[in-house]
Amino acid sequence: DAGVTQSPTHLIKTRGQQVTLRCSPISGHKSVSWYQQVLGQGPQFIFQYYEKEERGRGNFPDRFSARQFPNYSSELNVNALLLGDSALYLCASSCVQGDDCGATNEKLFFGSGTQLSVL
Amino acid sequence: KQEVTQIPAALSVPEGENLVLNCSFTDSAIYNLQWFRQDPGKGLTSLLLIQSSQREQTSGRLNASLDKSSGRSTLYIAASQPGDSATYLCAVSFSGGSNYKLTFGKGTLLTVNP
Repeated sequence: DAGVTQSPTHLIKTRGQQVTLRCSPISGHKSVSWYQQVLGQGPQFIFQYYEKEERGRGNFPDRFSARQFPNYSSELNVNALLLGDSALYLCASSCVQGDDCGATNEKLFFGSGTQLSVL
Repeated sequence: KQEVTQIPAALSVPEGENLVLNCSFTDSAIYNLQWFRQDPGKGLTSLLLIQSSQREQTSGRLNASLDKSSGRSTLYIAASQPGDSATYLCAVSFSGGSNYKLTFGKGTLLTVNP
């Protein structure tokens, strides 16, 4: 079974540009979360989506937005990029208890991330 | 403010040594606590998840404990191997928010020397 897949793996943008990152969850997982990890820090929560609805939002500016599609894949969009947006962006999927994917706890499965560099 | 702190920031040990990584959190009202492993430039691999009602979890050479009252967790690694070298992250899901919103520590960089 495929794990969580993210694309692209690496991305270079310049200040002021916009970027879209993509995530495909593990088959059967309906919950997708996004995290930002700046070098030397732990990941910070950006969004959680479940059944195509936003269920949680971290302390990030409105330049950050996301959506979830009917097939449960997700996109993270960042507008007006700043140098400080350079980071590893991680996507995680979860099987929510009660869904038909055999969850017994709230374990998160992470993808390998998208490394975004803003110049 | 709900925060997670990990000590030490870095640890270097000889192969075969048993070691303990520490994690503390500021609010005892939690859903669960998870330990992750991260290799350089890679995503996170879940090692152990401890529910709020549990005291410890074990997987192979790894044992994680949870003491909610003191706001502490430890990850014990037995008979360390060079392949255990990685950054270990502690993450807490605090009550009052989504079960899937994790607050992470900055991690402990572990180096196991052959």
